[in-house]
Amino acid sequence: DAGVTQSPTHLIKTRGQQVTLRCSPISGHKSVSWYQQVLGQGPQFIFQYYEKEERGRGNFPDRFSARQFPNYSSELNVNALLLGDSALYLCASSSSTGNLYGYTFGSGTRLTVV
Amino acid sequence: QKEVEQDPGPLSVPEGAIVSLNCTYSNSAFQYFMWYRQYSRKGPELLMYTYSSGNKEDGRFTAQVDKSSKYISLFIRDSQPSDSATYLCAMSVGNQAGTALIFGKGTTLSVSS
Repeated sequence: DAGVTQSPTHLIKTRGQQVTLRCSPISGHKSVSWYQQVLGQGPQFIFQYYEKEERGRGNFPDRFSARQFPNYSSELNVNALLLGDSALYLCASSSSTGNLYGYTFGSGTRLTVV
Repeated sequence: QKEVEQDPGPLSVPEGAIVSLNCTYSNSAFQYFMWYRQYSRKGPELLMYTYSSGNKEDGRFTAQVDKSSKYISLFIRDSQPSDSATYLCAMSVGNQAGTALIFGKGTTLSVSS
């Protein structure tokens, strides 16, 4: 079975631009969560979605938004990019919002803002 | 004070050594405790999952949780070069909708043969 798939794997953007990151969860998983991992730090929670609804939001500015589609895939959008947004963006899927044991991470999208 | 504190290392040990990795936390509401392993350029991979206090063993890995001291540990016995990675502790207050994992900074471990 395919794991959590994220695209693109790498990208470089200029300050002020907008970016969209994509995530396909494991088949049968209905919950998707997004995390930001800055170099040398642990992942930090951004959003959790379940059945297309936002179920949790971390301490990130409104420049960050996300959505989940009927097939449970998800997109993370970041507007007005700042240098500090450079990080590894991780997507995790699970069968339900409460299934922490079954939380599976993708390999991430490495975003560099120049 | 950060909610979860973890010594970033780096930690270097010879093959076969016993490794001890630790995290402290400040939020007494945490009930679920996890250890993840992250290889370079990969996402975190769940190693151990513990609910509340106590010990849990899985092969060469043992996780301990001491809620009275707000302290968790991961022990790796007979360490192997393949164990070289970053180890992240993670915690959660529960498994309700919208519950996030709170991670430590991660400890980088290098096991030499």
